[in-house]
Amino acid sequence: SAVISQKPSRDICQRGTSLTIQCQVDSQVTMMFWYRQQPGQSLTLIATANQGSEATYESGFVIDKFPISRPNLTFSTLTVSNMSPEDSSIYLCSVVAGGNQPQHFGDGTRLSIL
Amino acid sequence: EDKVVQSPLSLVVHEGDTVTLNCSYEVTNFRSLLWYKQEKKAPTFLFMLTSSGIEKKSGRLSSILDKKELSSILNITATQTGDSAIYLCAVDSNTGNQFYFGTGTSLTVIP
Repeated sequence: SAVISQKPSRDICQRGTSLTIQCQVDSQVTMMFWYRQQPGQSLTLIATANQGSEATYESGFVIDKFPISRPNLTFSTLTVSNMSPEDSSIYLCSVVAGGNQPQHFGDGTRLSIL
Repeated sequence: EDKVVQSPLSLVVHEGDTVTLNCSYEVTNFRSLLWYKQEKKAPTFLFMLTSSGIEKKSGRLSSILDKKELSSILNITATQTGDSAIYLCAVDSNTGNQFYFGTGTSLTVIP
């Protein structure tokens, strides 16, 4: 399966600031997704990162708060903007290589906002 | 509304026990069901099931899908402390490339 590098691994940030999380894959993939996992909760899909166009956001998530880029088939970024303590979560990048393939996840970013 | 439900929510067993985790789903345009193990941050892929009645097996772990009952089970035999984790079930839909995740089962294996 694809090797997925996600960074940073963790960060502690001040409220009101922004943080960009990077996801790099060692091969071209069809689909890239960004998830959030709040403490004690399951995974919630934030958006599908589309190569060369605007991401597709799920209900409850907006581009102004979570801008996403995907300039090519191996790289994507998620920015968490104007952070508040409620944004403290694990953020996960995942990829699907193609066809009827499973999702594979990056190592995740544990984000804490003070 | 599409959904995936896992049971039990949590489970505590002793080393050597056998456990069965359940996943049921209501998802439009079902394509496959996946099991993941989450220990720290990232879920790691265990199995992908697409056909009913065909068991997937990896060491002490095995899983099977019942498309008639819209469910799957994950069995772990001779449990070890390293099996302690959250086990997530997800269903892949043909509709918009959606993956629906359950809330997970938290398994704790006591020495």
